[in-house]
Amino acid sequence: DAGVTQSPTHLIKTRGQQVTLRCSPISGHKSVSWYQQVLGQGPQFIFQYYEKEERGRGNFPDRFSARQFPNYSSELNVNALLLGDSALYLCASSLNAGGGTGELFFGEGSRLTVL
Amino acid sequence: AQSVTQLGSHVSVSEGALVLLRCNYSSSVPPYLFWYVQYPNQGLQLLLKYTTGATLVKGINGFEAEFKKSETSFHLTKPSAHMSDAAEYFCAVTQDSGAGSYQLTFGKGTKLSVIP
Repeated sequence: DAGVTQSPTHLIKTRGQQVTLRCSPISGHKSVSWYQQVLGQGPQFIFQYYEKEERGRGNFPDRFSARQFPNYSSELNVNALLLGDSALYLCASSLNAGGGTGELFFGEGSRLTVL
Repeated sequence: AQSVTQLGSHVSVSEGALVLLRCNYSSSVPPYLFWYVQYPNQGLQLLLKYTTGATLVKGINGFEAEFKKSETSFHLTKPSAHMSDAAEYFCAVTQDSGAGSYQLTFGKGTKLSVIP
């Protein structure tokens, strides 16, 4: 079975532009989460979606938004890009919405460079 | 609020030597604790997790970790390092929010180098 797939794998944008990152969860998984990993840091939670509903939001500005589709895939949008948005954006899927006894399965990420 | 502190951003060990990566957590409620590994240009892979029950947890690739509530620690160990263990390791914490949501708080990571 395919794991979590993300696209694009790499992209370069300029300040002020907008970007959309895409994620397909593992088949059967209904929850998708997004994390931002800045170089040299651990991943930081951005959003979680379950059954198309937002279940959690991290400490990120309103320039960041996301949605989940009926097939459970997800998009992360970032508007008005800043240099500080340069990072690896990780998508993770899980079977259910909550419960630490579950496991998050991570994709390989989309590396965004903002010039 | 919860947080994770990983002591040592970079650890070097000789091949065959003991690996010890340190993690301390802060949580106002009983935590669930995780160790993830990240190889260059890849995503995160779960090594092991502690939720409830036995405090010594065994994971993949010969790694294990022990939950010590009194020390608020969850250190990762492996008796004998292998070259293939060179990677970055992240400790993470979450709490059981029931069916509501699932958010991991990660440490800053420890890069493990293995010297031949």
